[in-house]
Amino acid sequence: SAVISQKPSRDICQRGTSLTIQCQVDSQVTMMFWYRQQPGQSLTLIATANQGSEATYESGFVIDKFPISRPNLTFSTLTVSNMSPEDSSIYLCSVPQFGEQFFGPGTRLTVL
Amino acid sequence: GQNIDQPTEMTATEGAIVQINCTYQTSGFNGLFWYQQHAGEAPTFLSYNVLDGLEEKGRFSSFLSRSKGYSYLLLKELQMKDSASYLCAVRGVGSGNTGKLIFGQGTTLQVKP
Repeated sequence: SAVISQKPSRDICQRGTSLTIQCQVDSQVTMMFWYRQQPGQSLTLIATANQGSEATYESGFVIDKFPISRPNLTFSTLTVSNMSPEDSSIYLCSVPQFGEQFFGPGTRLTVL
Repeated sequence: GQNIDQPTEMTATEGAIVQINCTYQTSGFNGLFWYQQHAGEAPTFLSYNVLDGLEEKGRFSSFLSRSKGYSYLLLKELQMKDSASYLCAVRGVGSGNTGKLIFGQGTTLQVKP
């Protein structure tokens, strides 16, 4: 299975600031996905990170708030911009491989 | 629209069998996944069904009926460590097997001695 790492594993941030989360995969993958899991909730897809083109965002998520980079086939970043307490969540990257789909360990974000 | 339904909570006894149901209505279908998630951890892949029938993997089995939009996860010989959330997710139609996953709300299972 794919080995996925994320940085940072957790952070506490002030309202109005931005945080960039990194996702690194140990093999080349065509598509990477970013999910959010709010406290006590299930996972919600934010966007699909496409290599060589702009990310595809789900309804309710916009590029200005969650800019995504995908410079190569093993790496992606998600930025949470102009944060508010409502952005406190776990952010997870996910990759498909061999028909299955794997998740990184997640980044736990708390916004004060 | 897309809708995936699971029971919110279930309780079972150690050593018993429990079945967690999932029904779905999605605009496309390219497989159904089950994940286990312990508190504070990332989801762990359990099973994947794309054809009708039962897939067995140790103490865990997963069943799919595409015509009924229905799946279940069966956990046998329950252990205390099986207390966790179980997430049902449907993969939409995308590029081969790389379509995005849509998750249900998850079922919190509590195993009691």
